[in-house]
Amino acid sequence: SAVISQKPSRDICQRGTSLTIQCQVDSQVTMMFWYRQQPGQSLTLIATANQGSEATYESGFVIDKFPISRPNLTFSTLTVSNMSPEDSSIYLCSVVGGADTQYFGPGTRLTVL
Amino acid sequence: EDQVTQSPEALRLQEGESSSLNCSYTVSGLRGLFWYRQDPGKGPEFLFTLYSAGEEKEKERLKATLTKKESFLHITAPKPEDSATYLCAVEDRYDYKLSFGAGTTVTVRA
Repeated sequence: SAVISQKPSRDICQRGTSLTIQCQVDSQVTMMFWYRQQPGQSLTLIATANQGSEATYESGFVIDKFPISRPNLTFSTLTVSNMSPEDSSIYLCSVVGGADTQYFGPGTRLTVL
Repeated sequence: EDQVTQSPEALRLQEGESSSLNCSYTVSGLRGLFWYRQDPGKGPEFLFTLYSAGEEKEKERLKATLTKKESFLHITAPKPEDSATYLCAVEDRYDYKLSFGAGTTVTVRA
C-alpha cells in the first residue's frame, strides 16, 4: 500500500482566512481524492484531484471554496478558503493503490474560530 | 444515489464477547464493498474488499461477509485493541468514488 503524509496534521485558524493542506504520496498514483469528515460524521467526498487538469468537484463543493492543485502524480494540495466555523473538520486525502483499493492519509484536523 | 446504512451506531462489548456489525447498501452497480477501521484522530485503515455475494474474508478476529443487500463484519472474541470505529463504503461501478456509511463505534472492555 502507498505511504501517504499530510501537512499540517492540525491547525487552528481564524474565520475569514485560508489554509492550504498538502498531501504527499511515496509513489506515483493516478487517482487521488480529497474528503471531509465533519465532527461525529462519516467521510464525504469533496473532489477528485486530476493531474494536469482541473479537479472534479462533487455536488455541494465548489472550486472557489476548495481550490485543488495536482502538479504531479505524487502531490496535491487542498485549500479551504474564507473559512467559517462550519469548515471545522478533518480533511483527508486518499489514493487508489494496489488491487484498486483506496488508501487514506492521516488527516488534517482543522478548527476554525 | 448510493446509500450506505450501518448499524448499530455504537457497540459496547466485554472482552471475548463476539458480535456482528451490519452494513446495508443500495447502489446501481456495485464494484466493491469496503471495510475500514478508524482510530480517533487517524485516517481510515483498509481492512477488506468484497466484490460479490457469498464472498467472505478474514483477518485475525475479523470476518466480513457480503450478500446482495448487506455486509456483516463479525468480531470474534474481541480484545480491547479492537476498539475503533468501523466504516463501510461502496464503490459504484468503476469511478473509484466511495460512499461511506456513518460507522459503528466499537468499545471493548477488558
